Amino acid sequence: AQKITQTQPGMFVQEKEAVTLDCTYDTSDQSYGLFWYKQPSSGEMIFLIYQGSYDEQNATEGRYSLNFQKARKSANLVISASQLGDSAMYFCAMTSGGYQKVTFGIGTKLQVIP
Amino acid sequence: GAVVSQHPSWVICKSGTSVKIECRSLDFQATTMFWYRQFPKQSLMLMATSNEGSKATYEQGVEKDKFLINHASLTLSTLTVTSAHPEDSSFYICSVGRGSSYNEQFFGPGTRLTVL
Repeated sequence: AQKITQTQPGMFVQEKEAVTLDCTYDTSDQSYGLFWYKQPSSGEMIFLIYQGSYDEQNATEGRYSLNFQKARKSANLVISASQLGDSAMYFCAMTSGGYQKVTFGIGTKLQVIP
Repeated sequence: GAVVSQHPSWVICKSGTSVKIECRSLDFQATTMFWYRQFPKQSLMLMATSNEGSKATYEQGVEKDKFLINHASLTLSTLTVTSAHPEDSSFYICSVGRGSSYNEQFFGPGTRLTVL
């Protein structure tokens, strides 16, 4: 079984500053995928970034980067140059064992302050 | 454009009635779809895996007779909440995985169910 832990229920960041959202995971599978999703108040799940367990380089997508530390089983999301529109819930998630179903963490609520 | 659609986007019903939620894969055929439930201010919890042409696989603690899933075609899965009660009020989201790549996950926009 896999597990995702997000220990920050809420975070504040000043506009234009960078912020790191923490995520640790646990799985016995050697092959797995790690995701970050953004969920605004509308409820839709917006895919942000993906990291495969065998990827040697950290994933980046525009202002989003994933700090993947395999030995520590952590997959922190870094958002650079925060914008007001970044205020939302952020979920860390994973798939493993060759299955496509996704296990989610409890989320972190990010609020960007002008 | 959207890859997965859900209908309706929101529904309000009386206690005891049944509600059907549709999930459609718009761009590709999906032999497997997933249904999640999200209570207010909580995470998404997998309810069941919908398999085209066969019975759905339910997660532990999810009543299969209450949450009926039908995956009659490669592009449509339906979730029917039977005899809905206020505690069933939640946000229901479906997802579709494409291929064997882990990163090909697409979520529908969700359906907000309120049972009075």
